[in-house]
Amino acid sequence: DTAVSQTPKYLVTQMGNDKSIKCEQNLGHDTMYWYKQDSKKFLKIMFSYNNKELIINETVPNRFSPKSPDKAHLNLHINSLELGDSAVYFCASSQRGQGEYEQYFGPGTRLTVT
Amino acid sequence: DAKTTQPPSMDCAEGRAANLPCNHSTISGNEYVYWYRQIHSQGPQYIIHGLKNNETNEMASLIITEDRKSSTLILPHATLRDTAVYYCIVAGANSKLTFGKGITLSVRP
Repeated sequence: DTAVSQTPKYLVTQMGNDKSIKCEQNLGHDTMYWYKQDSKKFLKIMFSYNNKELIINETVPNRFSPKSPDKAHLNLHINSLELGDSAVYFCASSQRGQGEYEQYFGPGTRLTVT
Repeated sequence: DAKTTQPPSMDCAEGRAANLPCNHSTISGNEYVYWYRQIHSQGPQYIIHGLKNNETNEMASLIITEDRKSSTLILPHATLRDTAVYYCIVAGANSKLTFGKGITLSVRP
């Protein structure tokens, strides 16, 4: 069984559209994340939720809105898509412990905005 | 900004040990050293982490110097499937992971 899954795997859309990416984890973790990896391969955290509460919100345009209906799901909705939003988006999850933790990543969603 | 420094690339022969170095001279006492890797087009994969002591698991060994200012990830018997970008990350308790450029390991036949 896939630990962290994302849908869709590929997403091609036009500028100005609104789209969502879904993420689910079956690891029983209490923390989930969204990362963006741009064309230069830099991987940057965007958001983190712990038990459905937002705990990390990096400098991300407010066109990006994460939603966590429960602790196993963290979806990413993007409004008014721009060319610069083209990237691979990774979801991840972890269990917050006393200090150390490993993150498990999904396979990624490749978003192409034309 | 990443708190670690890694060479941009290295290669090793298949079946040999791959020793990947990482400098983290500004590491704080409560910060851990994590290693992740990203095989082409896949999501990053956790490898190992440590605080002070050397660690070993089924994937790799992590050697941390006594002053904790540097570490080495050791893949004991590299295979072609180990070709990937390896990230050395320093992070405190429950804090975010900041990925740098990593080191590209190429395993040659």
